[in-house]
Amino acid sequence: AQSVAQPEDQVNVAEGNPLTVKCTYSVSGNPYLFWYVQYPNRGLQFLLKYITGDNLVKGSYGFEAEFNKSQTSFHLKKPSALVSDSALYFCAVRPEWTRAGNTPLVFGKGTRLSVIA
Amino acid sequence: DGGITQSPKYLFRKEGQNVTLSCEQNLNHDAMYWYRQDPGQGLRLIYYSQIVNDFQKGDIAEGYSVSREKKESFPLTVTSAQKNPTAFYLCASRERGSYGYTFGSGTRLTVV
Repeated sequence: AQSVAQPEDQVNVAEGNPLTVKCTYSVSGNPYLFWYVQYPNRGLQFLLKYITGDNLVKGSYGFEAEFNKSQTSFHLKKPSALVSDSALYFCAVRPEWTRAGNTPLVFGKGTRLSVIA
Repeated sequence: DGGITQSPKYLFRKEGQNVTLSCEQNLNHDAMYWYRQDPGQGLRLIYYSQIVNDFQKGDIAEGYSVSREKKESFPLTVTSAQKNPTAFYLCASRERGSYGYTFGSGTRLTVV
């Protein structure tokens, strides 16, 4: 069964500094990887995904993530953090298409990012 | 505008009552999902449906029930058998052939 680990419950970073939110995964076969962001009392918003191809994926709001197959990681990064980036971030994984059909996304527990002015 | 609508936004349930959470989408998506969110536990899958009149249990289906009589609707019933129903419930949908999900804004259920 697939799983996702987000080892940090909370990440604090000063505005203007680079940020990294960590994610490692476990899945049979090739992974489909996603990052979502959640603001208070709201649903999740899609940030970016890795399906295949270039290991560096660029997404919304200046975020990017690097797929590292040997380390089974998919860390979220941004070169310069904004106070408005403060939110809850979720990493998610599912295996590539199988004959069993579509497998639902499995989410990590989330990492709360706090950007301090 | 296309999207997913969850209602109500806030719901209060008395002990022993069943309550139904609504999820409606006008995106023409085939698959729909219900997740439960608790602080520090992330999102856990309750039920999902890939086509009309078919659905599968997720990781925490006990105490919940669903139906999928129409493509655009996937209501979730929280029964009295669910011992700890207070949580934030999220509905999502996915278009056939796509990879990511579109989420609704959620329903916060509180037992009083």
